[in-house]
Amino acid sequence: NAGVTQTPKFQVLKTGQSMTLQCAQDMNHNSMYWYRQDPGMGLRLIYYSASEGTTDKGEVPNGYNVSRLNKREFSLRLESAAPSQTSVYFCASTFGKETSGQPQHFGDGTRLSIL
Amino acid sequence: AQSVTQLDSQVPVFEEAPVELRCNYSSSVSVYLFWYVQYPNQGLQLLLKYLSGSTLVKGINGFEAEFNKSQTSFHLRKPSVHISDTAEYFCAVSSYGAGSYQLTFGKGTKLSVIP
Repeated sequence: NAGVTQTPKFQVLKTGQSMTLQCAQDMNHNSMYWYRQDPGMGLRLIYYSASEGTTDKGEVPNGYNVSRLNKREFSLRLESAAPSQTSVYFCASTFGKETSGQPQHFGDGTRLSIL
Repeated sequence: AQSVTQLDSQVPVFEEAPVELRCNYSSSVSVYLFWYVQYPNQGLQLLLKYLSGSTLVKGINGFEAEFNKSQTSFHLRKPSVHISDTAEYFCAVSSYGAGSYQLTFGKGTKLSVIP
């Protein structure tokens, strides 16, 4: 099925370990986003990529890095995981600035626990 | 800067009763408004969106929302809820900046439908 695919679905890390969360979309979207969801906080934007070759910081970028590998793929890396990064991470995509008002499509999330 | 306030964090309602989930936003520019639903352990799905035109917007699963510019509100309603509507609902505002449309989410409202 067409959509946004995130891997892995679940992961447990120890403090200080590194990890890359993968995201791929097959809808030919230009813009891609990474959010984190914490209880009672809604979704907060970590990083986004308006188009292939560009990335920008969102509301909560500290402790994360991203790579827009190609038009389809947008990865999120935790270089040295901290317990405060325990969260559910969502990737999303949309067509971008050429098509105003288009909704974002979301993956099913990665549930990450850091001990 | 834009912000979204969902006035109720939890809303319990009996099956077949009507429900209204409240959302207020603030923004200095024209915006697009969205409601998303999140079922347990899933990603976000689009319920409905307001871009322009008629202020009453109909979405999936019998939901509708009314855009009120003077009150900066976008409340979600359903005349008769079902058990399957139990989920968390997020209001979001979209605006353009730095080459991309970005979403700002409210903190969510958990709807619990009581048999």
